Amino acid sequence: DARVTQTPRHKVTEMGQEVTMRCQPILGHNTVFWYRQTMMQGLELLAYFRNRAPLDDSGMPKDRFSAEMPDATLATLKIQPSEPRDSAVYFCASGLEKYREPNQPQHFGDGTRLSIL
Amino acid sequence: SQQGEEDPQALSIQEGENATMNCSYKTSINNLQWYRQNSGRGLVHLILIRSNEREKHSGRLRVTLDTSKKSSSLLITASRAADTASYFCATGGIMNTGFQKLVFGTGTRLLVSP
Repeated sequence: DARVTQTPRHKVTEMGQEVTMRCQPILGHNTVFWYRQTMMQGLELLAYFRNRAPLDDSGMPKDRFSAEMPDATLATLKIQPSEPRDSAVYFCASGLEKYREPNQPQHFGDGTRLSIL
Repeated sequence: SQQGEEDPQALSIQEGENATMNCSYKTSINNLQWYRQNSGRGLVHLILIRSNEREKHSGRLRVTLDTSKKSSSLLITASRAADTASYFCATGGIMNTGFQKLVFGTGTRLLVSP
């Protein structure tokens, strides 16, 4: 079964440090999403790429977060500098968007559990 | 906000019983999807129902959609301990910018005891 792969699975670091999370979407998928999940806020969309182009990052704190897709097999989410309030589980998901069939199912990785001390 | 709200927040049943979870949303949608999340794992897509459909089945899952009431329900029949997980509804809509977005609800935590 094809799967979305996220690394690292766990990350503990001190505030102020740079954090980079990586995602390998399912081969052939044309959309990539980054989500953040916390108990208080639930699942929040941070960024959305279609065909590697960033289409929406309105959910992302621009001053410290950045998301990129250097190629079709890699998406990255960076936090610099990190803060304790960034502690959460970060999920990457990919999907196959079709013409005139919006909102297709998304396939999630198992997430990166991030703790900022 | 288009966010779905699941009801109940938590549900505890015995194996073999049926589990029903409800989802309400606020705006027009293209489709509604249900996902399952096991502890420590990512969300897994279960079923998608389009806005022009009223009911859909997949194995032990039955989903209904009432667009007039802006609500959906997920029924799991003959539940098993392995069904223990959180279940989320997600509504799909097109924003003014043309961006397609899934908005996830707050989830129902289901516990199925042997």
